[in-house]
Amino acid sequence: QKEVEQDPGPLSVPEGAIVSLNCTYSNSAFQYFMWYRQYSRKGPELLMYTYSSGNKEDGRFTAQVDKSSKYISLFIRDSQPSDSATYLCAMSAKSSGSARQLTFGSGTQLTVLP
Amino acid sequence: DTGVSQNPRHKITKRGQNVTFRCDPISEHNRLYWYRQTLGQGPEFLTYFQNEAQLEKSRLLSDRFSAERPKGSFSTLEIQRTEQGDSAMYLCASRPSGRDSYNEQFFGPGTRLTVL
Repeated sequence: QKEVEQDPGPLSVPEGAIVSLNCTYSNSAFQYFMWYRQYSRKGPELLMYTYSSGNKEDGRFTAQVDKSSKYISLFIRDSQPSDSATYLCAMSAKSSGSARQLTFGSGTQLTVLP
Repeated sequence: DTGVSQNPRHKITKRGQNVTFRCDPISEHNRLYWYRQTLGQGPEFLTYFQNEAQLEKSRLLSDRFSAERPKGSFSTLEIQRTEQGDSAMYLCASRPSGRDSYNEQFFGPGTRLTVL
């Protein structure tokens, strides 16, 4: 079983819909949580970053972390066709070493239909 | 552009050849990562540098792979005797040192390797 599980999609929604993307994880040491957006054949672009638990809002995007359930979410309000991409969750532990390398989910492919 | 840059963007090679990729991190970032991403999967960690020191290597980094970061600036990733299974997107990321709560990693556009 993978350390990070992500709903595989693909997910298609109409323009203006609220999108919910989710990941679960098994490593209780994870403390840094990120969401990246990746367009086809491009590098991942950092969207949201959260340290430890709680919510974070940035424009149309809201990230939630529930460490007790080992569950993180990304909500996109008023979705736009330009939001069509693959969304990757990523997380890392506050390890004794300094690397803090990211462990990624496999990504959810989102299409927002005009 | 002050982001992470990678060269080349695409590389096609024949099995058995050696290839080398370059990454230029964001200038004030002293920490640099290499990841590999295959189709339909998230990136997987390969190796980590803090300044010029290579501090961590994944089990994925076989002895055909070597990475360097001379003088703590740009980094190179070399794959010797390439195999078809090496075909993937190779991604570089960087982050600055800083407060304990900070771990945002910024990725470059990647180098797509195809081994024929």
